[in-house]
Amino acid sequence: GAVVSQHPSRVICKSGTSVKIECRSLDFQATTMFWYRQFPKQSLMLMATSNEGSKATYEQGVEKDKFLINHASLTLSTLTVTSAHPEDSSFYICSAATDSYEQYFGPGTRLTVT
Amino acid sequence: SQQGEEDPQALSIQEGENATMNCSYKTSINNLQWYRQNSGRGLVHLILIRSNEREKHSGRLRVTLDTSKKSSSLLITASRAADTASYFCATDHASGGSYIPTFGRGTSLIVHP
Repeated sequence: GAVVSQHPSRVICKSGTSVKIECRSLDFQATTMFWYRQFPKQSLMLMATSNEGSKATYEQGVEKDKFLINHASLTLSTLTVTSAHPEDSSFYICSAATDSYEQYFGPGTRLTVT
Repeated sequence: SQQGEEDPQALSIQEGENATMNCSYKTSINNLQWYRQNSGRGLVHLILIRSNEREKHSGRLRVTLDTSKKSSSLLITASRAADTASYFCATDHASGGSYIPTFGRGTSLIVHP
């Protein structure tokens, strides 16, 4: 099956710093990638939809200047959390969609901001 | 608002019993997918069922889809302790030329050995 990787799997950063999370589709090209965040014991909330070569579409309430998304190629999308604060601590999950709109999820990145 | 809503929110059963989880949604869909998530881990894709399909099987999993009622069910037969996890349904619906996946809150399943 299709494989999506995320790096890093865990990151701890200090408040005010920026953190970059990578999402890669390893064995297929993904025109569209999605970024989600998940708080403990809650569902995944879609943050943004990222299309290769164009600007990401952000969901309502998600600050585009804080969560920078770059989808530079058909196999790589990055999410940068800028000027991170403790309330940004969460589990961030990406997914990559095939041409038939099937989604494959990465293993997630646990971000802790101290 | 969330598209898919699972019920029950929590389910506790004994090993060997069957577990049934339901998912309801509000608008027309393209696909509906079921995922499992072990605590603190990423999502694992279980089954995709298309809007023109009514039932699909995969091993001990059986998924049904009733588009007239806008609902789906996931049945795990002969459950095992290793099935303990959260289960989410995700629906894809068209929005502005794209298919936007939306997740429900999930059902937390505990299977006691």
